[in-house]
Amino acid sequence: DVKVTQSSRYLVKRTGEKVFLECVQDMDHENMFWYRQDPGLGLRLIYFSYDVKMKEKGDIPEGYSVSREKKERFSLILESASTNQTSMYLCASTIQGLDYGYTFGSGTRLTVV
Amino acid sequence: TQLLEQSPQFLSIQEGENLTVYCNSSSVFSSLQWYRQEPGEGPVLLVTVVTGGEVKKLKRLTFQFGDARKDSSLHITAAQPGDTGLYLCVGFFGNEKLTFGTGTRLTIIP
Repeated sequence: DVKVTQSSRYLVKRTGEKVFLECVQDMDHENMFWYRQDPGLGLRLIYFSYDVKMKEKGDIPEGYSVSREKKERFSLILESASTNQTSMYLCASTIQGLDYGYTFGSGTRLTVV
Repeated sequence: TQLLEQSPQFLSIQEGENLTVYCNSSSVFSSLQWYRQEPGEGPVLLVTVVTGGEVKKLKRLTFQFGDARKDSSLHITAAQPGDTGLYLCVGFFGNEKLTFGTGTRLTIIP
């Protein structure tokens, strides 16, 4: 069974902390994505990557960075966490060709206090 | 920026009833996908539709893609509590970016 695994289901961090969200997929997918999901706003794309060491900004990259050193792992970094980054974060992966659909992780609910 | 509007935003019905939810855009989709997201989980792909006028069935779920490829509907027959969740439509506009709708939150009351 193919899987996308996010390292934490729940996180509570303090304002100003550097936060790492990890995502690992076991499907040998080229494409990986980070979204945040907020009530009334839907899923918004933060960053994505089409290959190792490649990254592209999504619609809301401010305050975030990413790292993809290995094909199976895509990390989201909050450089200095702020309360407006409290959200559900979803990682997804897909093979080349977006028509095949995304496989999502179970999400990380991050609270910044 | 392409926008996807889903309606209704919330829907609560009794078990056994039928329902339809809608996804609309002012732009033409290259393809469209429907996902269901259960509480505490990530979205799971239900179907992909590509051809205008296409109808796909998945047990009690029927998905229709509009002839002009600007809209889609999801019809559920004889709803069950297990159908409860957030239904998301996702449009692919051919520019290698997906746009998510804001979702329909469906609750089936036993």
